[in-house]
Amino acid sequence: EVQLVESGGGLVKPGGSLRLSCAASGFTFSTYSMNWVRQAPGKGLEWVSSISSISNYIYYADSVKGRFTISRDNAKNSLYLQMNSLRAEDTAVYYCARVVGYCSGGGCLGSFDYWGQGTLVTVSS
Amino acid sequence: DIQMTQSPSTLSASVGDRVTITCRASHSISSWLAWYQQKPGKAPKLLIYKASSLESGVPSRFSGSGSGTEFTLTITSLQPDDFASYYCQQYNSYSYTFGQGTKLEIK
Repeated sequence: EVQLVESGGGLVKPGGSLRLSCAASGFTFSTYSMNWVRQAPGKGLEWVSSISSISNYIYYADSVKGRFTISRDNAKNSLYLQMNSLRAEDTAVYYCARVVGYCSGGGCLGSFDYWGQGTLVTVSS
Repeated sequence: DIQMTQSPSTLSASVGDRVTITCRASHSISSWLAWYQQKPGKAPKLLIYKASSLESGVPSRFSGSGSGTEFTLTITSLQPDDFASYYCQQYNSYSYTFGQGTKLEIK
């Protein structure tokens, strides 16, 4: 059974940092691109970042570029999101999600077939 | 970035009704579109991929259609479990975008 379990969320002050983790099991993690998606309270879904299976292609939403860093450790079946210079508008539930689709020169694109349960990040003084 | 516009934002319907949600892309995305269902406090669930392909395990009352810039999600014979929020998502570019969502409410 495919499982994605996020951790690392919590309360942090504006300007602070937080590192989220996503532990994957039940599939060959090293062969899938992965994403982070967030959802602010009462709002819609916002894609945050993508990383290809061997970390050679990485993409960010403009809203987090330069502040967030996505990474993965295929030996540990884990995905990470390092979040620096946090702002109130980064307050959200953060989900990790697996990509299933097609691969081209810039990596793999597709729909998100498995999601974690989410971890809440609250940025407030 | 490709913008995705969903309509309506809210939809009121009754059990047994047939409903349609529309999603429009600001640029052509071929058939690279997915639909998700989300219930309060839960992660989104993939319903439809590649515009019209039904994800395994999803009831056949859900269907998707469209290509280019206009897409629809149709639910025939609404069941109580279907009252939730629905999102479209394009995956034509590496900067994924979601529609703003449609909340399906019980009339």
